[in-house]
Amino acid sequence: GQQVMQIPQYQHVQEGEDFTTYCNSSTTLSNIQWYKQRPGGHPVFLIQLVKSGEVKKQKRLTFQFGEAKKNSSLHITATQTTDVGTYFCAANSGGSNYKLTFGKGTLLTVNP
Amino acid sequence: DADVTQTPRNRITKTGKRIMLECSQTKGHDRMYWYRQDPGLGLRLIYYSFDVKDINKGEISDGYSVSRQAQAKFSLSLESAIPNQTALYFCATSAGQGWGEQYFGPGTRLTVT
Repeated sequence: GQQVMQIPQYQHVQEGEDFTTYCNSSTTLSNIQWYKQRPGGHPVFLIQLVKSGEVKKQKRLTFQFGEAKKNSSLHITATQTTDVGTYFCAANSGGSNYKLTFGKGTLLTVNP
Repeated sequence: DADVTQTPRNRITKTGKRIMLECSQTKGHDRMYWYRQDPGLGLRLIYYSFDVKDINKGEISDGYSVSRQAQAKFSLSLESAIPNQTALYFCATSAGQGWGEQYFGPGTRLTVT
């Protein structure tokens, strides 16, 4: 089945530092979604990227989709304690084996 | 998201028991999903249903079964629970075509002793 690698598994930062998580696929993706799960909560949709090379911003969050549509990144500028949680990518390969495959997530902790 | 509810929220059961987890939604979505979350393993798809008459296995369906009783209801059953089915279970819904934005319920924490 489709493999989606997400790195790093954990990231601890001081408040105000930047944070980036990466998602990589061995196959070309139809689109990719990003979710955030707060501790003790459920995953919440953040964004979907569809186009090659696409860049989208949500306040301090910047999402990128690679030119080859095989990788994506989520970058948070100047982290805050409210950014704590696990960030998941979810890759959609399309085609006959059309399913959404989640990465294992990156747990972000922020030291105030 | 109160639009997707799951019952029970927590459950402890014994090995060999049959257990049902229920999911209801008021979002009017046709597509519903069951995921399992284990620490460090992310979310893995158990079953999915694109409408009332459509049921499909996900990547880890062994030991599980589902029932889509109505557009709004999708239940997950463990026929004979075993300890390695201890996990956090999420129901989700999505609208429209393809595998769109997933709306997750609050989760059910299941412990099998």
